[in-house]
Amino acid sequence: DVKVTQSSRYLVKRTGEKVFLECVQDMDHENMFWYRQDPGLGLRLIYFSYDVKMKEKGDIPEGYSVSREKKERFSLILESASTNQTSMYLCASSSPRGRTDTQYFGPGTRLTVL
Amino acid sequence: TQLLEQSPQFLSIQEGENLTVYCNSSSVFSSLQWYRQEPGEGPVLLVTVVTGGEVKKLKRLTFQFGDARKDSSLHITAAQPGDTGLYLCAGPEGGSYIPTFGRGTSLIVHP
Repeated sequence: DVKVTQSSRYLVKRTGEKVFLECVQDMDHENMFWYRQDPGLGLRLIYFSYDVKMKEKGDIPEGYSVSREKKERFSLILESASTNQTSMYLCASSSPRGRTDTQYFGPGTRLTVL
Repeated sequence: TQLLEQSPQFLSIQEGENLTVYCNSSSVFSSLQWYRQEPGEGPVLLVTVVTGGEVKKLKRLTFQFGDARKDSSLHITAAQPGDTGLYLCAGPEGGSYIPTFGRGTSLIVHP
């Protein structure tokens, strides 16, 4: 059974704090993604990675960075959290060896920045 | 500009009713996926449609891909409270492997 896990389901941080969101997949997938989901705006792609140590900006990368040191792990970093980064963060993975258009999602991390 | 337009945005119905959700675009997609997301969880893939005109059934859910591969629909027969959730359509634009997501249809089925 495929699995994508995220380090926290709920997180509360203060403005200016550095925040790390971790995502791990056990499917040996090459591609990993970070999205944020806000009411009325749908899923917006922040960053993605198609291989270890490789990263590409998505549609809204400002204020975020990522790290992929191992194939199974993709981290999202908020260098200095701001209140407008309060959101639901979703990690996903896919494989170029299977249906590349199919994404497997984690349960999400609901981040609140005070 | 939203590449994939979903309608309606919200739907609140009684158990036993039928409903249809639409996903439309001016672009051609090589495939379209439908996901369901329950509150507090990540989206889960329901189906992928690939061929124009294709119809797939998943129990009471019927998915159709338009002949021109620019639109898709999801029809639910005799909706049940367990169908409650956010329904998302998604598809890779052009040669990309990264899907574009619609904004979703939020469905509530009342017992």
